[in-house]
Amino acid sequence: GAGVSQSPSNKVTEKGKDVELRCDPISGHTALYWYRQSLGQGLEFLIYFQGNSAPDKSGLPSDRFSAERTGGSVSTLTIQRTQQEDSAVYLCASSSYLQETQYFGPGTRLLVL
Amino acid sequence: SQQGEEDPQALSIQEGENATMNCSYKTSINNLQWYRQNSGRGLVHLILIRSNEREKHSGRLRVTLDTSKKSSSLLITASRAADTASYFCATDAVSGSARQLTFGSGTQLTVLP
Repeated sequence: GAGVSQSPSNKVTEKGKDVELRCDPISGHTALYWYRQSLGQGLEFLIYFQGNSAPDKSGLPSDRFSAERTGGSVSTLTIQRTQQEDSAVYLCASSSYLQETQYFGPGTRLLVL
Repeated sequence: SQQGEEDPQALSIQEGENATMNCSYKTSINNLQWYRQNSGRGLVHLILIRSNEREKHSGRLRVTLDTSKKSSSLLITASRAADTASYFCATDAVSGSARQLTFGSGTQLTVLP
């Protein structure tokens, strides 16, 4: 596709449920990033993929968060047993390995009730 | 304070005026980037300045970088109402091979018609 796409656009869930967020990067981009943005705040780095491997998982806030990427393309971010503090916009970005510019998707707005 | 911190946090100007936003950071960088975000959704890359550059222009945007002071500024000339958005600086630190960007908390710019 022309840009990074994310689904769903919005997700409302109940506390304790699991959610899965999807990111489809720009075709050919080998690097993929997940960020979290709370209301009115900057971006918090979560995890980074180079191909299918994640050399940097340091940003995942707890063991309830996990992410995978298969086929060097689509990535899913899974949050288990969601908590109200998980409510935020989750942003995905991709970049060509040799480029420094990251291209962002529109984000998934997650609300945990 | 965190790496890549902008000031002011909020800025309100009249259409036609210039807007200046500043960014300070702490560690050595490969480059510094400025992004724009509308309505809490995806970020759009505006401009990248490398550590060996001092000034860069792109249309109505002018970015400066002072590595001795670890600071950067973004100037938007002849502002328009459509420039209303949040502006973030992001640093690509000198650390390993990961292209991890560290974002500041942003400046909310409001351009009044």
